[in-house]
Amino acid sequence: IAGITQAPTSQILAAGRRMTLRCTQDMRHNAMYWYRQDLGLGLRLIHYSNTAGTTGKGEVPDGYSVSRANTDDFPLTLASAVPSQTSVYFCASSETPTVWPQHFGDGTRLSIL
Amino acid sequence: DQQVKQNSPSLSVQEGRISILNCDYTNSMFGYFLWYKKYPAEGPTFLISISSIKDKNEDGRFTVFLNKSAKHLSLHIVPSQPGDSAVYFCAASAYRNNNDMRFGAGTRLTVKP
Repeated sequence: IAGITQAPTSQILAAGRRMTLRCTQDMRHNAMYWYRQDLGLGLRLIHYSNTAGTTGKGEVPDGYSVSRANTDDFPLTLASAVPSQTSVYFCASSETPTVWPQHFGDGTRLSIL
Repeated sequence: DQQVKQNSPSLSVQEGRISILNCDYTNSMFGYFLWYKKYPAEGPTFLISISSIKDKNEDGRFTVFLNKSAKHLSLHIVPSQPGDSAVYFCAASAYRNNNDMRFGAGTRLTVKP
């Protein structure tokens, strides 16, 4: 089934550790996104990529980095995790940045202790 | 600063009745509005959209109403079904660009049989 695959599904991580959340899509979408979902705040955009080889900062980019080496993969890295990064992370994609809707993965639940 | 607000964290309705989910926004530049639906342990899925040139958009049991002067939109589900039980996110964009999409905190709808 076509869609977005995120890994891991959940993770508990010690503060200060490095962590990469993986995201792969098989829809050949040009645009990809990373969101975090926190109670009472909804979904907030961390980083985006309009096409392979380009990335941009969203609403809450601090403490996160991304890369887009090819069309299918868009990993999100926490270089040194902090407890405030405890959240549910969703990867999404769309054909282009101006085409709706976005298609979301099932999320990664990350707890930083 | 939350530009998109869903002030009701939860809503409970009886099967067969109407569900009305509300959303308010503060940015008068927003011209595109979407509703996403999210089941537990899954990513959000697109439900319905409306642009500011319209005041109503209908898709089966789902209708979205937009009141630009009040900066308010609402999602009506008629008739409500138990399978509609989910969290509903309102989202808004100024430039029809997913990179500037802003999401509300969500409303959890429970439809009782």
